[in-house]
Parts: sequence; structure tokens; C-alpha cells
Amino acid sequence: AQSVTQLGSHVSVSEGALVLLRCNYSSSVPPYLFWYVQYPNQGLQLLLKYTSAATLVKGINGFEAEFKKSETSFHLTKPSAHMSDAAEYFCAVTLRAAGNKLTFGGGTRVLVKP
Amino acid sequence: GAGVSQSPRYKVAKRGQDVALRCDPISGHVSLFWYQQALGQGPEFLTYFQNEAQLDKSGLPSDRFFAERPEGSVSTLKIQRTQQEDSAVYLCASSSTGVSYEQYFGPGTRLTVT
Repeated sequence: AQSVTQLGSHVSVSEGALVLLRCNYSSSVPPYLFWYVQYPNQGLQLLLKYTSAATLVKGINGFEAEFKKSETSFHLTKPSAHMSDAAEYFCAVTLRAAGNKLTFGGGTRVLVKP
Repeated sequence: GAGVSQSPRYKVAKRGQDVALRCDPISGHVSLFWYQQALGQGPEFLTYFQNEAQLDKSGLPSDRFFAERPEGSVSTLKIQRTQQEDSAVYLCASSSTGVSYEQYFGPGTRLTVT
């Protein structure tokens, strides 16, 4: 079984400041890890994924995440927040097997202050 | 190309009514997933199809929930005798292969049971 914990249900950052969203996972086998973004009244859009290649993963919109096995973490960062980054962000894990479901964290809502 | 589409986008049902939610996956995608997202929470897995076969329905909350994908493309999630606790956004996702390491989500159907 796998699980995901996102620390902080709400994060407020100033425009231009660092965005850091925390994600810790639990998995009995090496996982695949994902970050998704959800804008109001929309579905989930994939930001980036870790599938056992490089541990530092770069995604869309300037986001990146680092897989740290020793810390069971997959934190998401962006050096400089933009107003358009205001959204809800979900970390998710799946096992490396055919047809395996995604298990999501509870989400972190990001507010960007001008 | 076209993404995953879902209809209706919004559905209001009176308690006790039956509802049917439709998902049109990306053409050619083998795998199809349904998730339920309660207000303020992350999505939770309901069921998974590979082509027309329903391989995992472990997340369906009760026998009032039923899903089908008879021709391996369009899928329908049916909820019988709706209850207030069924109010949520129902998300559909598809994936091109049997390994679900990248799922593409539709915009969801927001179900409100009154």
C-alpha cells in the first residue's frame, strides 16, 4: 500500500518569492511520483513526474522536484512565484505495475500575493 | 488533439435519484480510471479499466456505484439511489498504456445531491 502526506493545506507566497510545497510518501516498493496542478473548476494537469531516472525532475511552468529516497520526500519548488501559479497542487504516488491507481495527498492551495 | 472530456460538467440530483456520468478518454488510450474528489480533498480512486475489462473496482464505496466501458472507449459511471454523501467531483483519467505512469484527466463532473 502507498500513501502521501502534503504538509500545509495552504501556502501564501509573495510574487517573485520561492515556492516550496512539501510531499512525503510511503511505499513498500520503489514508487513513481507526480505533482499535479488544479485550477478552479478544471481537471488535474501534470506538472512533472519521477519514474526512476534523474532524481531532480524539471517540469512545466518553471517547477521542479527532487526525489530523496532517504527522506521519502518529493518536494516541489519554483524559484520565483508568478500570479498565475495560484492554484491547488497535489502530490501523488503509484506503484510500478500495470494499471495501478494514483494515491493523492490532500493538496496544498497556493495563494500568490502581489 | 482532443483531451479527456466528461459530461455533464454539472449535475444536480435529488436524493434517491439515479445518475449517469460519461467519460470520453483520449482516442486510443487503453487505460481508464475514475476518481472521486470531495470538497477540499485530494482525488480518491474508484475503479480502473484496461480496454473493456474492469480490473480493479476496489475503491467503489458501495454497491450503488457501477461503472462500465463496454467497447473499450467511452465509460459511464452510474450511481443509483444517490445520497448526500455522494456529492463530489468525479474525475476521469486515461492513460495510453497498461502502466499508469502518466494519466490525463478530464475536467470532472460536479455532482450535487440535494
